[in-house]
Amino acid sequence: GESVGLHLPTLSVQEGDNSIINCAYSNSASDYFIWYKQESGKGPQFIIDIRSNMDKRQGQRVTVLLNKTVKHLSLQIAATQPGDSAVYFCAEKENTDKLIFGTGTRLQVFP
Amino acid sequence: NAGVMQNPRHLVRRRGQEARLRCSPMKGHSHVYWYRQLPEEGLKFMVYLQKENIIDESGMPKERFSAEFPKEGPSILRIQQVVRGDSAAYFCASSPKRGYNEQFFGPGTRLTVL
Repeated sequence: GESVGLHLPTLSVQEGDNSIINCAYSNSASDYFIWYKQESGKGPQFIIDIRSNMDKRQGQRVTVLLNKTVKHLSLQIAATQPGDSAVYFCAEKENTDKLIFGTGTRLQVFP
Repeated sequence: NAGVMQNPRHLVRRRGQEARLRCSPMKGHSHVYWYRQLPEEGLKFMVYLQKENIIDESGMPKERFSAEFPKEGPSILRIQQVVRGDSAAYFCASSPKRGYNEQFFGPGTRLTVL
C-alpha cells in the first residue's frame, strides 16, 4: 500500500507579525547552514545562509541565528506576509557540497 | 536567463518499467545534484555530478538507479524496473562551481508508479 509521510509541524501567524522557525541539526562538521523555502508544487528556493563560524546573519526581512552549543538554527521573518506561506527547510552543507535537509516547517499566514 | 529545467514534470509508470528523468542546469552551471522528496518530508540527497563525472553517489540506492551528466545534453536520472516505493518527487539542482552555497532547484519531476 501507499506510505504515509509524517505531518509537518505547522506555524500559524497573523499577517504583519514576526515568525520564528526553528531547526535542530546533527553534524557539527558542517561548513554552512542554509534556509530554503518551498511553495506548493515547486522546487526549494534559497533564502539565506550562514557560515559555521558566525552566530547571526541578516538579510532582507530575514535573520538567521546559529547556536552551535545546542546545535540549533532559527529563521526569523519580520512582518510576515501572505506570500511567505510555504514550507521552510533548514539544510546543512558538508564539504562534499551535498545538502542534508531537515524535516521542514509549514508556515501559514492568515489575515 | 532560464532557470533549471526538468522534464517531464509528471511521469506515470507501471511496476517493472523504466523511468528517465531529465535535468538541464542553468546556463553556465556544470554541477548537478539530484534529490528525492517523499510527501511531507525533506529532500534526500542522491547524487552529485559534474560534466562526465560522478562526484558523490552516496545517496543512490545500490540497485536499479543510475545517473549521468554527459558532455553534451541534460543530466539523466534513470530508474530501472520501478517499484511503488519509487513514487516521489525528484528534484535537480545546479551550481556554477564547487563550494558554491546556493543550489538552484528545478520544479521537479513527480513520479507515480502504479
